[in-house]
Amino acid sequence: GEQVEQRPPHLSVREGDSAVITCTYTDPNSYYFFWYKQEPGASLQLLMKVFSSTEINEGQGFTVLLNKKDKRLSLNLTAAHPGDSAAYFCAVSPITGNTGKLIFGLGTTLQVQP
Amino acid sequence: EAAVTQSPRSKVAVTGGKVTLSCHQTNNHDYMYWYRQDTGHGLRLIHYSYVADSTEKGDIPDGYKASRPSQENFSLILELASLSQTAVYFCASRGGFQAPLFGEGTRLSVL
Repeated sequence: GEQVEQRPPHLSVREGDSAVITCTYTDPNSYYFFWYKQEPGASLQLLMKVFSSTEINEGQGFTVLLNKKDKRLSLNLTAAHPGDSAAYFCAVSPITGNTGKLIFGLGTTLQVQP
Repeated sequence: EAAVTQSPRSKVAVTGGKVTLSCHQTNNHDYMYWYRQDTGHGLRLIHYSYVADSTEKGDIPDGYKASRPSQENFSLILELASLSQTAVYFCASRGGFQAPLFGEGTRLSVL
């Protein structure tokens, strides 16, 4: 079945720097991808939903890139600020089987230092 | 407003006791999920359901049962709680290929 590897597990950057988190997946039939943000003690907040038909997706302060050839999904936070400090999770939704399941990466803990 | 409500928000249970975690959604979503979150393991799927009165095993179902008596409600049952089941549990609902919407989580401590 689908497997998702997320790197790095921990990331520390200074305010104003960029931060890049990458996930690789194995199922070439995966069609929907998600990035979630989780602040300490809180639930998961959806950052972005990505369709496999779109390679570049832009949000507020971040960009998500999808490379279908390499089966790689990346989240690039531009000009990180302390409020971005949180755990980030990618999730992949395989289209096969139609179970609606999401396969999550293990997460990246991002710390943005002032 | 779309919502997933979990209860209780936290619970302390004794080893060998029965624990029931409840989840209620008002989103008219077909899919509901129970995930477990442990440090270093991300989120792992325990059980899920795509229709009332039917549940499916996820990736780590051992030691857990699930019940979906209606479209809105999905429960996770630990018949004999064990120390290893100490974790944070998240319920989620999903409609079609929309992004799953997560509840606030239940912090379970088994002593």
